[in-house]
Amino acid sequence: NAGVTQTPKFRVLKTGQSMTLLCAQDMNHEYMYWYRQDPGMGLRLIHYSVGEGTTAKGEVPDGYNVSRLKKQNFLLGLESAAPSQTSVYFCASSSRFGPSLWRGYTFGSGTRLTVV
Amino acid sequence: ELKVEQNPLFLSMQEGKNYTIYCNYSTTSDRLYWYRQDPGKSLESLFVLLSNGAVKQEGRLMASLDTKARLSTLHITAAVHDLSATYFCAVDKNLGGGADGLTFGKGTHLIIQP
Repeated sequence: NAGVTQTPKFRVLKTGQSMTLLCAQDMNHEYMYWYRQDPGMGLRLIHYSVGEGTTAKGEVPDGYNVSRLKKQNFLLGLESAAPSQTSVYFCASSSRFGPSLWRGYTFGSGTRLTVV
Repeated sequence: ELKVEQNPLFLSMQEGKNYTIYCNYSTTSDRLYWYRQDPGKSLESLFVLLSNGAVKQEGRLMASLDTKARLSTLHITAAVHDLSATYFCAVDKNLGGGADGLTFGKGTHLIIQP
């Protein structure tokens, strides 16, 4: 059981370049989330999805777009990367049904992105 | 707007000592989480606290929740070096479900000296 898988694990971008981060989960979870983690800031929610085909803005959505075309995948896109988007990005999933609810959220291993 | 405050943000302590990390949150919630993060790693779930008065223990760590005071504590008993990590508390924004995601505290960076 792989849980939540993020690709890539590391990436360096030049300012203005675009990229997509992929999050895949194999637990049939309804909810998926993208967070960013910056030193001393904890994790902050970028966007989230409560089901296939639906997305919503979190606390810090500017400069990012997301899509959830399939239930198991949640994509985070940066259309024009900026140095302020240098961060570690975590994907997470959760479910309102069954025992996984009591385990809370499952996090991926993270993507370390540097924008130069 | 839900706010989650942890204190202290940095803690250096000696092995064998006891200490408590505090987590205060600003709006009603009945679901609080504690995570551990080692440098360069993801978040490891420690405890999920689901109701007022909930207390959970795992080894040298014990977490409790007081929903009336909007306060959770993570108590470390007889600390050992292996517990050195950053600890986060996080609160569900929605009662009864996990739809809107978690709001995290800034984390407590814990260093335990031999």
